[in-house]
Amino acid sequence: DAGVTQSPTHLIKTRGQQVTLRCSPKSGHDTVSWYQQALGQGPQFIFQYYEEEERQRGNFPDRFSGHQFPNYSSELNVNALLLGDSALYLCASSLAGFGEAFFGQGTRLTVV
Amino acid sequence: GDSVTQMEGPVTLSEEAFLTINCTYTATGYPSLFWYVQYPGEGLQLLLKATKADDKGSNKGFEATYRKETTSFHLEKGSVQVSDSAVYFCAQGRDDKIIFGKGTRLHILP
Repeated sequence: DAGVTQSPTHLIKTRGQQVTLRCSPKSGHDTVSWYQQALGQGPQFIFQYYEEEERQRGNFPDRFSGHQFPNYSSELNVNALLLGDSALYLCASSLAGFGEAFFGQGTRLTVV
Repeated sequence: GDSVTQMEGPVTLSEEAFLTINCTYTATGYPSLFWYVQYPGEGLQLLLKATKADDKGSNKGFEATYRKETTSFHLEKGSVQVSDSAVYFCAQGRDDKIIFGKGTRLHILP
């Protein structure tokens, strides 16, 4: 079992650009959540996808959007990038209702 | 709203010392409680968990007990090793959403 895999591992973008991050959940998991971890901080919940729909959302602007595919994989899209969007983006997968989340290694996004 | 507060670091200890990292939470219901660990340059790994009051989670010599009366979930280890150096996050979870504390950086000196 490969666990949760994210791509790419590192990314550099220019302010104002758009970015797409990808996540494949752990085998058997149906729920994908995305988190933003700024340097020296704890991860902050962005949103969660279940059955291809956004089920919960944290306090993030509409520039942050996502998608879940029929195979449960997921994408996180960020439009109009700001310098403050520079962070480690973590994907977590879980089996709905079981509470325990498994995290990927993250994508380090740098906005310049 | 729901939140997690944990002791600020960094915490520096000598090898074989006793470790306590304090964590308290506020929640409207009865969440599950977790400790995650993050090694340099890596993602988060679940260290231990507890799903209801008085449960004790344990793993790799670490322990934490879910205390509803004090809304706490303090992490302890009797004898730390250099390899335990990492950032530790206390967290609560409900409906598959996890709320994290800010993290405590732990340095263990040989």
